[in-house]
Amino acid sequence: QVQMQESGPGLVKPSETLSLSCAVSDDSIIRGYSWDWIRQPPGKGLEWIGNIYQSGDTYYNPSLKSRVAISLDTSKRQFSLRLTSVTAADTAVYYCARVLEGYIYGFQDWGRGTRVTVSS
Amino acid sequence: QAGLTQPPSVSKGLRQTATLTCSGDNQNVGNQGASWLQHHQGLPPKLLFHRNNNRPSGISERFSASRSGNTASLTISGLQPEDEADYYCSAWDSSVSAWVFGGGTKLTVL
Repeated sequence: QVQMQESGPGLVKPSETLSLSCAVSDDSIIRGYSWDWIRQPPGKGLEWIGNIYQSGDTYYNPSLKSRVAISLDTSKRQFSLRLTSVTAADTAVYYCARVLEGYIYGFQDWGRGTRVTVSS
Repeated sequence: QAGLTQPPSVSKGLRQTATLTCSGDNQNVGNQGASWLQHHQGLPPKLLFHRNNNRPSGISERFSASRSGNTASLTISGLQPEDEADYYCSAWDSSVSAWVFGGGTKLTVL
């Protein structure tokens, strides 16, 4: 069973950049999965942020696309999220997750989530 | 980018059956189907069904999923107290090349 663990600052100032990483416990980082970031603001539902494939292809939520970058470091078995120009609306629990490549799969494995607060 | 539509809340009695719905269009649910997640607050979401309505191992057979056109459904039979949770559907939207989520349904077991 893969383990996924998010890490990064729990507090970010407005207008600054939020940076998170997700460590993956096995070598599936180099196999056929998409590596995804999803968040849940307080009192709201889940929101997909974006993903990256082992090929390096990335896809982003259109509403966040101008501020988001996701990268993959297979040597460290981790992938990362950068979200620029954050505001209070970016306060959320951020999850990393993976989806097996193919048209039939869902978000099968998740990290435990990390809470990020945007505040001065 | 419109999300998927789920009823905000459903309430059913213990041991009854609940059916949750998820409506989209032919670019998302109607194209590749929807997957279902169960979310208890404080824990990460748990996948109940892949987009082809297959259950991952370890998911109770009391849960079943189906799709008709652009609407996906999750049925939970023999409701138990531990089924009280938020349920989300998600689908890949080919028109915007992005995953979309429903707003979630809060299931209350009375």
